[in-house]
Amino acid sequence: DVKVTQSSRYLVKRTGEKVFLECVQDMDHENMFWYRQDPGLGLRLIYFSYDVKMKEKGDIPEGYSVSREKKERFSLILESASTNQTSMYLCASTEDFDTGELFFGEGSRLTVL
Amino acid sequence: AQSVTQLDSHVSVSEGTPVLLRCNYSSSYSPSLFWYVQHPNKGLQLLLKYTSAATLVKGINGFEAEFKKSETSFHLTKPSAHMSDAAEYFCVVSDPMDSNYQLIWGAGTKLIIKP
Repeated sequence: DVKVTQSSRYLVKRTGEKVFLECVQDMDHENMFWYRQDPGLGLRLIYFSYDVKMKEKGDIPEGYSVSREKKERFSLILESASTNQTSMYLCASTEDFDTGELFFGEGSRLTVL
Repeated sequence: AQSVTQLDSHVSVSEGTPVLLRCNYSSSYSPSLFWYVQHPNKGLQLLLKYTSAATLVKGINGFEAEFKKSETSFHLTKPSAHMSDAAEYFCVVSDPMDSNYQLIWGAGTKLIIKP
């Protein structure tokens, strides 16, 4: 079975803290994504990566950065968490952009107080 | 520019009755279209996809969707709802000509199944 694993299911952080969200996939996929999911807004793309050390901004990159040092791991970093970053964060991977079939992790629910 | 509209934020049906989740899209080219499902506390899973082959697409768990270019619609249907179908469903459009690779997600429709 294909697997995308997000290390933390639930996190509670304080405003101004640095936050790391980790994602690991075991499918040898080149392409990985970080989305944010908020009620009534669907999924919004934060960043994606199409190769090791490569990254592209999505629709809402402000306040976030990413790191992809190894093919299987894609990290999302909030340098200074703010309350408006309270959300569900979803990691996904795919081998082929054209098929559009993304494989998702179960999500990391972040609360910033 | 691409866009996708899911016409209902919530749909409630009785178990055993048909399901219809509506999706309209806007795309400059021939799009690829997808439906994803998210069960409570689970990751998103691909339900079915249309990529310019047959216009009637069959997916998992008895769901199907029909691509209607004239109506710019890609509605999701199931003949008979089951309690396990209770979930949130997302319609997604992709423009194969978009070199930036963007999947445009609908806002989601929560499907509620009444016993």
